[in-house]
Amino acid sequence: GDSVTQMEGPVTLSEEAFLTINCTYTATGYPSLFWYVQYPGEGLQLLLKATKADDKGSNKGFEATYRKETTSFHLEKGSVQVSDSAVYFCALSPEGGGSNYKLTFGKGTLLTVNP
Amino acid sequence: DTGVSQDPRHKITKRGQNVTFRCDPISEHNRLYWYRQTLGQGPEFLTYFQNEAQLEKSRLLSDRFSAERPKGSFSTLEIQRTEQGDSAMYLCASSPMGQSTSYTFGSGTRLTVV
Repeated sequence: GDSVTQMEGPVTLSEEAFLTINCTYTATGYPSLFWYVQYPGEGLQLLLKATKADDKGSNKGFEATYRKETTSFHLEKGSVQVSDSAVYFCALSPEGGGSNYKLTFGKGTLLTVNP
Repeated sequence: DTGVSQDPRHKITKRGQNVTFRCDPISEHNRLYWYRQTLGQGPEFLTYFQNEAQLEKSRLLSDRFSAERPKGSFSTLEIQRTEQGDSAMYLCASSPMGQSTSYTFGSGTRLTVV
């Protein structure tokens, strides 16, 4: 079945450092790919998404590129802020068909940014 | 619109008791989902409603679990005869028709079974 594997945390960075959180997936065809963020005490929020190969999703300085050849969707940010401290989840939904509403998540990566 | 609301935020119950959680989706969203998140794991799909019809149930949803969405508005998730392994965060999300993965998640109900 479908699965998502993401970089184990926790990740601790200093403010303005470069961030990469790796995410790879297993799925048939061309799933849609997502990054969600969960701030303490809050629900998951969609950060960015990509629905086809070579698409780049971006939001709030974060970027991720859908790489079909490596089945990857790594999250990057050039300069992190303390306010980026949160848990980040990579997720996929199946290509088309009857189950494309269903999200499969990775385990999450806790990011802590220190001033 | 206040987003997806879940109630209660926290619930502590004794093993063997029944519990019920409520989810109020965004009013114009006709799709509603329940997920479960255990410590250190990502959310796992439990069940999905389109309007009042429950269209899919995960194998994770044992016969002690039941979900309803009467009139296609709010939804309830009931767990009967709770077990310690049911301790988790229960997340509700909703989405509009035709935008299946434009989910809006609620803040969740954290269940602790003692």
